[in-house]
Amino acid sequence: KAGVTQTPRYLIKTRGQQVTLSCSPISGHRSVSWYQQTPGQGLQFLFEYFSETQRNKGNFPGRFSGRQFSNSRSEMNVSTLELGDSALYLCASSPGTGPYNEQFFGPGTRLTVL
Amino acid sequence: AQSVTQLDSQVPVFEEAPVELRCNYSSSVSVYLFWYVQYPNQGLQLLLKYLSGSTLVKGINGFEAEFNKSQTSFHLRKPSVHISDTAEYFCAVAGAGSYQLTFGKGTKLSVIP
Repeated sequence: KAGVTQTPRYLIKTRGQQVTLSCSPISGHRSVSWYQQTPGQGLQFLFEYFSETQRNKGNFPGRFSGRQFSNSRSEMNVSTLELGDSALYLCASSPGTGPYNEQFFGPGTRLTVL
Repeated sequence: AQSVTQLDSQVPVFEEAPVELRCNYSSSVSVYLFWYVQYPNQGLQLLLKYLSGSTLVKGINGFEAEFNKSQTSFHLRKPSVHISDTAEYFCAVAGAGSYQLTFGKGTKLSVIP
């Protein structure tokens, strides 16, 4: 089975721009979660989708948004980029409906905001 | 809400020596506990998880962890480390009824030849 794929792998943007990141989960997985990883804050939960519905959202400003499509693929969008948004954005997919299911992580998208 | 504290940000250890990476958590509900490993420029990979039952959990690559409810700890151990174990290790918790993982800040394990 193919793993979680994220595109693009690297991205450079300037302040004020917006960006869209894409995540394709493992086939059959219906849950997709997004995390932001920075050296200072570590791994922080952004949001989780299951069957196109956002079930949980972390403590991030409204500039961060996401969606999930009927094929379980997910996108996250960050508008009006700030320097502090520079981070590794990780997507994870899970087969089940509960928090006890293993999350399988993609390699991440490294976003640099100049 | 849950929180995770990894007590050591960096742990250097000689090859073939034992290692323990410490993790403490807090939660007002029952929890599920996980250890993930991240190699440079890669995503996270699950090492092991505790859901219920036996408090000693065995994972991949010779790692094991012990759940201690009274001390709210979930320390990761390996009896003999290899150079290939050099990576960053994250302890994570998911609360019952929650759909998110809360991670610790990570522990960088450096294995010295």
